[in-house]
This record gives sequence, structure tokens and C-alpha cells, in this order.
Amino acid sequence: AAGVIQSPRHLIKEKRETATLKCYPIPRHDTVYWYQQGPGQDPQFLISFYEKMQSDKGSIPDRFSAQQFSDYHSELNMSSLELGDSALYFCASSRDRITDTQYFGPGTRLTVL
Amino acid sequence: KQEVTQIPAALSVPEGENLVLNCSFTDSAIYNLQWFRQDPGKGLTSLLLIQSSQREQTSGRLNASLDKSSGRSTLYIAASQPGDSATYLCAVKMDSSYKLIFGSGTRLLVRP
Repeated sequence: AAGVIQSPRHLIKEKRETATLKCYPIPRHDTVYWYQQGPGQDPQFLISFYEKMQSDKGSIPDRFSAQQFSDYHSELNMSSLELGDSALYFCASSRDRITDTQYFGPGTRLTVL
Repeated sequence: KQEVTQIPAALSVPEGENLVLNCSFTDSAIYNLQWFRQDPGKGLTSLLLIQSSQREQTSGRLNASLDKSSGRSTLYIAASQPGDSATYLCAVKMDSSYKLIFGSGTRLLVRP
């Protein structure tokens, strides 16, 4: 079965640089979620999109922005990177934004040096 | 503010044992609860989803129960195997939100 695809899988950046993470949801899933998991921590919700509109917002820094495109893929843009942004970034998708299971991608490991 | 707690934080059992992982939440106005498995440095694999109107869900050797009014869920793993070794996370979705709120997980080691 098709799963959520994230790219790149690993990313190394310097402080103050910019990074773009991409997420391709499972086909026919119209809701995408982004989560951040710091070392030894549980995943924290960043933002979600339903039908290309932002649907919910969590603890996402102002330096980050995201959008969902017409083909339902989503991109998380991160600027002015800080050391503390080093984490695993997960994208998840669901068929129904209320009742359905959220299926997670393998994550992008971002390291900021 | 919803808080999700998982006890124990770590668990080590010999192969073949049946075990129970606990998850509690402070606000009972949840829409559903999901159990995940995470291997070190890897993604989250969804194990079971329980809607707020349900009492339990089963998949293979896994059984998850939900007592919404008392703010508790348990994940029962029967006949544990070394391949079950991983961190198990529970997460709740509130009525008013799209996001999942995670517990800090139980790190399980099943010894051969």
C-alpha cells in the first residue's frame, strides 16, 4: 500500500540558512499534518492543511511557513535556521480530518550546524 | 490544556509475556485515541485507532481499550516477541482540533 513520502530524508544546514521539506500524502488523502520531534521528545504538532487551506496551527515558529498545493502535496519552509531546529520532522496524512487515522511518513531528519 | 501521560516510561520483559501499557489523559473531550509504534530514529507506525464512542479495538496480538470518562487507555500485547521492542506512543485528538497530542511514550524491550 502507498505510504506518505517525505523528502529529503536527511538534511544538514548551517545556522541562518533556509530549508524546504516536502511531503506527498497517501493518494486520496486530503488532509496533511506536520509534526516536529526533538531528540528524546514526543512529536509536537506544527500545522495542518485541509483541501489546501490551513486548518489548524500549533507551536510553529514565525520563521516557518507551510502550504498545500493543488496536488495535495505540502511543503514546510524553514528560514533563519537555529540549532534548536534540529529534529525529526514528520508529515502525516488522513482521508478524513476528523475521524480517520493519521498515517505518518518516515520523517526528515534536519541537522543544523 | 490536555496532558497525556504514559506509564511506565520503560519496560523490560522476557519473550512470551503478556503486557499492558498505560495511557492517561486529563481532558475527556477527545474525539479519538491512536496508538503508535516508533523504532529508534524512525517514523511512527499506526497500530490502532479507537473512536471516542468505542470501548476497544483489536489487531492481531494487540488490543487497545478506552475508558473515556476516566481518561484512560491501555494497550495489551499478547505473547510478546523481541520484534515488539520499540517505543509505544499514544496520542489523542480533541473534539475541537485536528492535531494529535502525544504522550511521552513507553520504551519496551522484549528479551529473547
